[in-house]
Amino acid sequence: QQPVQSPQAVILREGEDAVINCSSSKALYSVHWYRQKHGEAPVFLMILLKGGEQKGHEKISASFNEKKQQSSLYLTASQLSYSGTYFCGTPKGANTGTASKLTFGTGTRLQVTL
Amino acid sequence: EAGVAQSPRYKIIEKRQSVAFWCNPISGHATLYWYQQILGQGPKLLIQFQNNGVVDDSQLPKDRFSAERLKGVDSTLKIQPAKLEDSAVYLCASSLDKGRRNEKLFFGSGTQLSVL
Repeated sequence: QQPVQSPQAVILREGEDAVINCSSSKALYSVHWYRQKHGEAPVFLMILLKGGEQKGHEKISASFNEKKQQSSLYLTASQLSYSGTYFCGTPKGANTGTASKLTFGTGTRLQVTL
Repeated sequence: EAGVAQSPRYKIIEKRQSVAFWCNPISGHATLYWYQQILGQGPKLLIQFQNNGVVDDSQLPKDRFSAERLKGVDSTLKIQPAKLEDSAVYLCASSLDKGRRNEKLFFGSGTQLSVL
């Protein structure tokens, strides 16, 4: 079942913060985050595993709450280069951290302006 | 390090015609994936190979789609015959090994298919 992301789209001015949420109706063991710029391939950002850990990539961090079956991506002091569509992905089954059989979410389109 | 190579970059065909896409994964990557991405949606897994064996093809429309990975390296995805709803970007991805923690996908640039 496909994870649901919110919001669907967001427009920010450079320097502003944003939060992207990813929710699943089934149990989660890991959440993968990717960013796709227009006309390009998705690029890996980070993986979060069971345990409620937080990770960071540039000024982008994320949290994972397996009890709530959701993950959130935090973009701090956004830059123009952050523009793109962000996808969360969840693997089938209890494979912790593997990319096997990933189901990607509905996507959140982020646009950062001057 | 060379990335995932895909060809062609664009393809325009008429419905009921056949089309094939080619993918060369990153050297040494055991797992290869084909995803279909319809405009405005997230990538959808069509088929996953581990070396030259199929791990998952549950979402592959087998009446018209077929894929193979000979010798566990290159892969081809074929659609025969194509329908209008097959218009999408077909992404190939590879990863080092199934079952590793913190395993990430490396995507190719994709093939944009338009079925008229």
